[in-house]
Amino acid sequence: QQQVKQSPQSLIVQKGGISIINCAYENTAFDYFPWYQQFPGKGPALLIAIRPDVSEKKEGRFTISFNKSAKQFSLHIMDSQPGDSATYFCAATHNTNAGKSTFGDGTTLTVKP
Amino acid sequence: DAGVIQSPRHEVTEMGQEVTLRCKPISGHDYLFWYRQTMMRGLELLIYFNNNVPIDDSGMPEDRFSAKMPNASFSTLKIQPSEPRDSAVYFCASSFVVNSPLHFGNGTRLTVT
Repeated sequence: QQQVKQSPQSLIVQKGGISIINCAYENTAFDYFPWYQQFPGKGPALLIAIRPDVSEKKEGRFTISFNKSAKQFSLHIMDSQPGDSATYFCAATHNTNAGKSTFGDGTTLTVKP
Repeated sequence: DAGVIQSPRHEVTEMGQEVTLRCKPISGHDYLFWYRQTMMRGLELLIYFNNNVPIDDSGMPEDRFSAKMPNASFSTLKIQPSEPRDSAVYFCASSFVVNSPLHFGNGTRLTVT
């Protein structure tokens, strides 16, 4: 049973546009929601993360929106740039599971110049 | 810190051979994780350690897979005997505490012919 569902699988955005990637989770025990960015040939790297006590977190052009009641969270990339072209993974963890992260299937983002 | 260091970056071997992947986590990180990434299955957690002790190996696919962490600065993942279906990118990641960001290495791309 997949506990974190991510959509879309792929996304093409024009330079300067907004990229939006969505994730939905099932386990209400999750209490840490990171997003990772992965470039070809590299390991995933933390982009931004949120805990459920806030509904939004912004770092530069990247924003996480979190809806606890709907069990959904999303990544918004404002003013998307070609350098943002990568694969993005959402994840969820909870304390009682000692840090085991459950990952979404990933979204391949292409930003066209 | 140099980050999580994995070796080798690429490994090509024949079916039936033993393969050993190596990982040096970030100093001071108490948790170490081994992940496998494939197109079909995404990022799968194989096993993780806390303070050098294996905590959960439920993701290890078969007895052919084994992992050790003899000290805080070194871990190995061994496949014996290897099979073509083991071909994947294997990532090592470490984290400071529970529910904190994962720091991934750049992975080992394993090809079993």
